[in-house]
Amino acid sequence: RKEVEQDPGPFNVPEGATVAFNCTYSNSASQSFFWYRQDCRKEPKLLMSVYSSGNEDGRFTAQLNRASQYISLLIRDSKLSDSATYLCVVKGGSYIPTFGRGTSLIVHP
Amino acid sequence: GAGVSQSPRYKVAKRGQDVALRCDPISGHVSLFWYQQALGQGPEFLTYFQNEAQLDKSGLPSDRFFAERPEGSVSTLKIQRTQQEDSAVYLCASSLVASGTYEQYFGPGTRLTVT
Repeated sequence: RKEVEQDPGPFNVPEGATVAFNCTYSNSASQSFFWYRQDCRKEPKLLMSVYSSGNEDGRFTAQLNRASQYISLLIRDSKLSDSATYLCVVKGGSYIPTFGRGTSLIVHP
Repeated sequence: GAGVSQSPRYKVAKRGQDVALRCDPISGHVSLFWYQQALGQGPEFLTYFQNEAQLDKSGLPSDRFFAERPEGSVSTLKIQRTQQEDSAVYLCASSLVASGTYEQYFGPGTRLTVT
C-alpha cells in the first residue's frame, strides 16, 4: 500500500460545479498536510495547508480526518482556471514530504 | 523576489552519458530537496540538504545518482551513466526550514530525456 493515495481521475466537471477530492495516508504519525496544485508541465505550488480544525480559503476548503486518515479538498463554484492536478502532501515527524500521485481536474464550459 | 531556478530546463542525453543538473534555491533558504517526477506521478523524494549537509539520500535510486550543495546554496544533482529509466522531470525545492508547515517552493524542473 502506498503511503499516500489519491484517485488520479480525471474529474470532469462543468463550470460552477462543486467537486471534492480525498487523499488517504497510511502513517498514523503524520503531522503536516498540504494540498499543492500543479499545472500541466509546470512546477507544484502550494494551494493550502490543512489544519486539524479544517481551513477555508475563498472557494477552497480543506479538511483533515485523523481517525480515518484522510484529507479532503472541496472546490466550490469551479472555474475553468481550476483545471490542474491537485497533489496531496503528507509529512511525518521527519522532514521528508510524501506526495500522492495527484488528482486531475478538468473544468469545462 | 527571485524564486527557485533550475538549469538546464531541458536535457537530452544519450544512454551512458553523465549529466549535471543545477538548482539555485531562494536566497536564505536552509532546506533544499530534490525530487524525481515521472509522467502521471507525483514527485518522488530523492535527497535533502540542510545548508551544506546532506541529511538524507535515501531516495536516490542507485549509486549513479549523486548530489551536493558544497556552500549551502546552489546544489547540483549528477547522474552518471544515464539509463532510459532515468528519463523524468527533476524538481528542486527550497524551504526556509524543513520542519513543520513551512512551504516548499519549487523550481521549474529539468526535463531529462535519455535516448
